[in-house]
Amino acid sequence: SAVISQKPSRDICQRGTSLTIQCQVDSQVTMMFWYRQQPGQSLTLIATANQGSEATYESGFVIDKFPISRPNLTFSTLTVSNMSPEDSSIYLCSVTGQSTDTQYFGPGTRLTVL
Amino acid sequence: GQQLNQSPQSMFIQEGEDVSMNCTSSSIFNTWLWYKQDPGEGPVLLIALYKAGELTSNGRLTAQFGITRKDSFLNISASIPSDVGIYFCAGQVGGGADGLTFGKGTHLIIQP
Repeated sequence: SAVISQKPSRDICQRGTSLTIQCQVDSQVTMMFWYRQQPGQSLTLIATANQGSEATYESGFVIDKFPISRPNLTFSTLTVSNMSPEDSSIYLCSVTGQSTDTQYFGPGTRLTVL
Repeated sequence: GQQLNQSPQSMFIQEGEDVSMNCTSSSIFNTWLWYKQDPGEGPVLLIALYKAGELTSNGRLTAQFGITRKDSFLNISASIPSDVGIYFCAGQVGGGADGLTFGKGTHLIIQP
């Protein structure tokens, strides 16, 4: 399976600021997704990162709050904008390889908003 | 939206015991997956199931895709301390282009 890295691994931010999270894969992948895992909770899909076009957002998530880029087949970013303490979560990217439909996850970015 | 009901929420077992957990849904999924998440890590794929009725093993782990496409179970035989963690089921409606819907997780705790 592909090796997935995320930067930063963790961060502590002040409310009202924005943080951009990077997801890098060591090989070209077909699909990239972004999930949120609130403290002690399960994973919730935020959006599908589409290469060369706007991301597809799930109900309850909007582009102004979570802008996403995917400039190529190995890289994507998720920005958490105008943060509040309620945005404190683990943010995870996942990918689907070119030869499989199975999703593999990155290590996550642990965000704390004060 | 779609929801997965995963049970039990937590399990306290003795080392060496067998473990069973399951997920049910009111709607059909065409793929079922089981992941394990350790503290501070992303979920790691354990087993993927693609056909209704499919029974798949991965070492001491066995999972089945329910015949109705609305449920799946995961069994762990002869548990060991490194099995401790949170196990998530996840369903996918379409193929690889779809995101996953996750269950709430089963927290496995092994007592020495």
